[in-house]
Amino acid sequence: GQQLNQSPQSMFIQEGEDVSMNCTSSSIFNTWLWYKQDPGEGPVLLIALYKAGELTSNGRLTAQFGITRKDSFLNISASIPSDVGIYFCAGFNTGTASKLTFGTGTRLQVTL
Amino acid sequence: EAQVTQNPRYLITVTGKKLTVTCSQNMNHEYMSWYRQDPGLGLRQIYYSMNVEVTDKGDVPEGYKVSRKEKRNFPLILESPSPNQTSLYFCASRRGNEVYEQYFGPGTRLTVT
Repeated sequence: GQQLNQSPQSMFIQEGEDVSMNCTSSSIFNTWLWYKQDPGEGPVLLIALYKAGELTSNGRLTAQFGITRKDSFLNISASIPSDVGIYFCAGFNTGTASKLTFGTGTRLQVTL
Repeated sequence: EAQVTQNPRYLITVTGKKLTVTCSQNMNHEYMSWYRQDPGLGLRQIYYSMNVEVTDKGDVPEGYKVSRKEKRNFPLILESPSPNQTSLYFCASRRGNEVYEQYFGPGTRLTVT
């Protein structure tokens, strides 16, 4: 099955820094999603994007749906310690057996 | 509180000993699925179910079975576990096939020796 490639695989940043990560696919998606997984828990939805070029914010998080519909980007501004976790992108297309295809994940560590 | 629960949260077992990981949701969701999470590979779908008695293979179904006899429950069965099934497993549910918002359980960490 297809997987989405995320980069970077991991990042170590200092508190207060901005973070950027991206996700690329070989095929088109109608919806792009970003999830966060806290240590020891399941992923939780952060942001959903519905059309190409769309830019959506959720607090300090901003995500963009790429123009080609094959990629998406997530930015976190002024990082804080609770931003630590794994961030997953996911692509979604409606259809006979709609499913979410997840990315490989970006592990974020924030140091004080 | 709306939630997806999984049991057990942690399990260490030996090769070949059948096991079941339970999953239950209280949101009356039609669609449920199982994923495994491995380092560098992200989340990969094992099986999914669009409704009671309707199940189908995901991307990595080998070595697993599922059943959906009731809407709220979706157990994952490993008839003869092997070490390559050591992983972190997540159950998830969502309202329907056309809806993207999915709720995940807390995960089950399985080690097969």
